[in-house]
Amino acid sequence: TQLLEQSPQFLSIQEGENLTVYCNSSSVFSSLQWYRQEPGEGPVLLVTVVTGGEVKKLKRLTFQFGDARKDSSLHITAAQPGDTGLYLCAAFFSGTYKYIFGTGTRLKVLA
Amino acid sequence: DAGVTQSPTHLIKTRGQQVTLRCSPKSGHDTVSWYQQALGQGPQFIFQYYEEEERQRGNFPDRFSGHQFPNYSSELNVNALLLGDSALYLCASSLIRNRAYGYTFGSGTRLTVV
Repeated sequence: TQLLEQSPQFLSIQEGENLTVYCNSSSVFSSLQWYRQEPGEGPVLLVTVVTGGEVKKLKRLTFQFGDARKDSSLHITAAQPGDTGLYLCAAFFSGTYKYIFGTGTRLKVLA
Repeated sequence: DAGVTQSPTHLIKTRGQQVTLRCSPKSGHDTVSWYQQALGQGPQFIFQYYEEEERQRGNFPDRFSGHQFPNYSSELNVNALLLGDSALYLCASSLIRNRAYGYTFGSGTRLTVV
């Protein structure tokens, strides 16, 4: 059974601080996505990474795919209250063709 | 370009009843997946439909069933509702050949079982 563990589960920080969210699996995945979800809405896709070691940047967000393709991280620089939300990683496992979501990280940025 | 639309947005049902949720995928998408999301947790995969057939299924009992229509829209049916079925039900669509690269989600149906 493929599982994606995210850490931390909860994060409350002050505006302007930096933070990193981690996503780990015991299985190799073909690709990984990061989503952000706000209350009452569905997840919104932020980025897709497919190559081991790949780094992508989206404004203040930096996404990294582990070399072994079993982990990923999301780093936010100078967090703003608008970054508040539930961050989810999701991965496609080519062996089972299943698309699995992580356990989620709830971020709250205080003004 | 319309994204994924789900109906209804909210629903209250009594234990033991049956419910049907509906989803229209994003224009051009041919694959529909359903997820159950408890408050503050990640979505749990229920099943995926492509070419009107269930292609993948998560660890959900047979009380959860679905259907995909020729226009790619989909329904999720849940029989004999339990209190534990209360959750946000999300529909996601993609192209089958791009399913490894992310999904477009609807805003969900909030189901409350009382």
